[in-house]
Amino acid sequence: NAGVTQTPKFQVLKTGQSMTLQCAQDMNHEYMSWYRQDPGMGLRLIHYSVGAGITDQGEVPNGYNVSRSTTEDFPLRLLSAAPSQTSVYFCASSYLPGLAGGKPSTDTQYFGPGTRLTVL
Amino acid sequence: RKEVEQDPGPFNVPEGATVAFNCTYSNSASQSFFWYRQDCRKEPKLLMSVYSSGNEDGRFTAQLNRASQYISLLIRDSKLSDSATYLCVVNYWNFNKFYFGSGTKLNVKP
Repeated sequence: NAGVTQTPKFQVLKTGQSMTLQCAQDMNHEYMSWYRQDPGMGLRLIHYSVGAGITDQGEVPNGYNVSRSTTEDFPLRLLSAAPSQTSVYFCASSYLPGLAGGKPSTDTQYFGPGTRLTVL
Repeated sequence: RKEVEQDPGPFNVPEGATVAFNCTYSNSASQSFFWYRQDCRKEPKLLMSVYSSGNEDGRFTAQLNRASQYISLLIRDSKLSDSATYLCVVNYWNFNKFYFGSGTKLNVKP
């Protein structure tokens, strides 16, 4: 299993450009999510999905769109890049809790290697 | 108020020391608890889940106190390779959201 994969690893954009960060997982996880990590701020949830066709906003959704057409893929789109979106982006996936006896370990999140984005 | 709070550190300890981190969470509806480890510029990786009865994995012991809404991580006999940032994570099943603390940085010195 490849686990959670993300592309690209690095990206430099100019202000106003758009792009899509790709995320895929091969563990048949229902739950997928996108986080951004800035120095001293920890991981903040951008968007998440509990299954194909279902997405919802996290803590910092403005400027980002997502879709979930398959269980495996969860792309993150930057509509019009801004310098404030310079960050490290992580995609993560997990099973939904409660579907396997509700044991805590079943909703362990697995992370991709991250995309380092710079917006000039 | 943040959902999950941690002392950012850094904790600077010598090899062989015992070190403890605490983490507090604000919502009593939290139902899953984890400690993740993150090395510089890498993705977070699960260190251990935290169970109500407490659990141990080698040199690492995690405890959960639901009444006081905090979890703890104890590392015994610290190794140089333990140097990393440790993230406290809680999951609110009702909201399908994981909340991360900002992390506690540990430096183990020779």
